[in-house]
Amino acid sequence: AQKVTQAQTEISVVEKEDVTLDCVYETRDTTYYLFWYKQPPSGELVFLIRRNSFDEQNEISGRYSWNFQKSTSSFNFTITASQVVDSAVYFCALGGHNAGNMLTFGGGTRLMVKP
Amino acid sequence: GAVVSQHPSWVICKSGTSVKIECRSLDFQATTMFWYRQFPKQSLMLMATSNEGSKATYEQGVEKDKFLINHASLTLSTLTVTSAHPEDSSFYICSARDQGLLANEKLFFGSGTQLSVL
Repeated sequence: AQKVTQAQTEISVVEKEDVTLDCVYETRDTTYYLFWYKQPPSGELVFLIRRNSFDEQNEISGRYSWNFQKSTSSFNFTITASQVVDSAVYFCALGGHNAGNMLTFGGGTRLMVKP
Repeated sequence: GAVVSQHPSWVICKSGTSVKIECRSLDFQATTMFWYRQFPKQSLMLMATSNEGSKATYEQGVEKDKFLINHASLTLSTLTVTSAHPEDSSFYICSARDQGLLANEKLFFGSGTQLSVL
């Protein structure tokens, strides 16, 4: 069975602070995929990143960066110099190789960035 | 980029009525679509996997007779909530996979449907 745990249910920071959202996963698949999605108050899911299990290279995209540690089954997401517009719920998700794109979502972390 | 259109965005209905939600892939063919449900302040839970031309696969605990899924074409899947009750009020969101891409390429999500049953 697959499982994704986002231990932080809510995080509140002040604008310009850095913030890291944690994600820990469990899977028996040797090949799998990890995702981060942003869900603003309007509800839609905004794709942020997809990472293959065989690619542990960390990635940076503007103010966003991701740290994939296979040894600890973690895929953490850091926002540098947070902005009010970053306020949203962020979901980490896991897709198995043979699951045909079915995703298992973590519980989500609500990020509130205060001005 | 690929777009998945979900309609309606929100719907309010009376208890006992049926509501149909459409999920349409606009510029790609999707042999598989997924339907998720999200209760307030909770995560997304997979309800069912919709396969074009065959019966949907439902997750444990999801009533197939209540949540009817039809995937009649490569670009359209519909979810019908039959005899809706207030406890069915939720945010429903679909996702689709471009069959032309490798497994687990970026999934495409609809914008979601907020269902409120009075």
